[in-house]
Amino acid sequence: AQSVAQPEDQVNVAEGNPLTVKCTYSVSGNPYLFWYVQYPNRGLQFLLKYITGDNLVKGSYGFEAEFNKSQTSFHLKKPSALVSDSALYFCAVRSNYGGATNKLIFGTGTLLAVQP
Amino acid sequence: GAGVSQSPSNKVTEKGKDVELRCDPISGHTALYWYRQSLGQGLEFLIYFQGNSAPDKSGLPSDRFSAERTGGSVSTLTIQRTQQEDSAVYLCASSFQGMNTGELFFGEGSRLTVL
Repeated sequence: AQSVAQPEDQVNVAEGNPLTVKCTYSVSGNPYLFWYVQYPNRGLQFLLKYITGDNLVKGSYGFEAEFNKSQTSFHLKKPSALVSDSALYFCAVRSNYGGATNKLIFGTGTLLAVQP
Repeated sequence: GAGVSQSPSNKVTEKGKDVELRCDPISGHTALYWYRQSLGQGLEFLIYFQGNSAPDKSGLPSDRFSAERTGGSVSTLTIQRTQQEDSAVYLCASSFQGMNTGELFFGEGSRLTVL
């Protein structure tokens, strides 16, 4: 069965500092991995995805994520945090295994709070 | 339309009543998904449509929950005899051709409160 773990309910970081939001996954076959962001009272927005190829993927708003197969991780990173990055971040996985359906399985979310 | 549209945005109902939540996906998107977001629970998958059929309805929590999609477009999620534990934000998402590698586009959700 597919699953995603986001071990931190909340991450606090000062503006201008680097940030990391952690995600680990479990899936049969090779994973398709995604990060989504949810701003207050808004729907989820796609940030970036890993399908294949380069382990470091870049997405919207200066975010990037690194796929690590041996550690089954897909941590979200940004070199310099902004107050406007404060939001709820969700990691998601889908298997490319032939028997899997197309649904994304989401983690429980990590609240990122960037202090000025 | 330009994005995924959900209605109502807010619904307050009494325990035991039936509710219908509507989702209008992005035009041309063949796949449609319903998720439920509860505080501290993340996003819980409910059901997935490809066209008008539902290959995966494994996330529907009980037989009080049902969903349909007509014309390959609008979908309705129906909750019968609502319970307080049904209170949550119900999110709809769509994607093109079953999202083989692409992303989901989400609506802003329908917040359901069962008193």
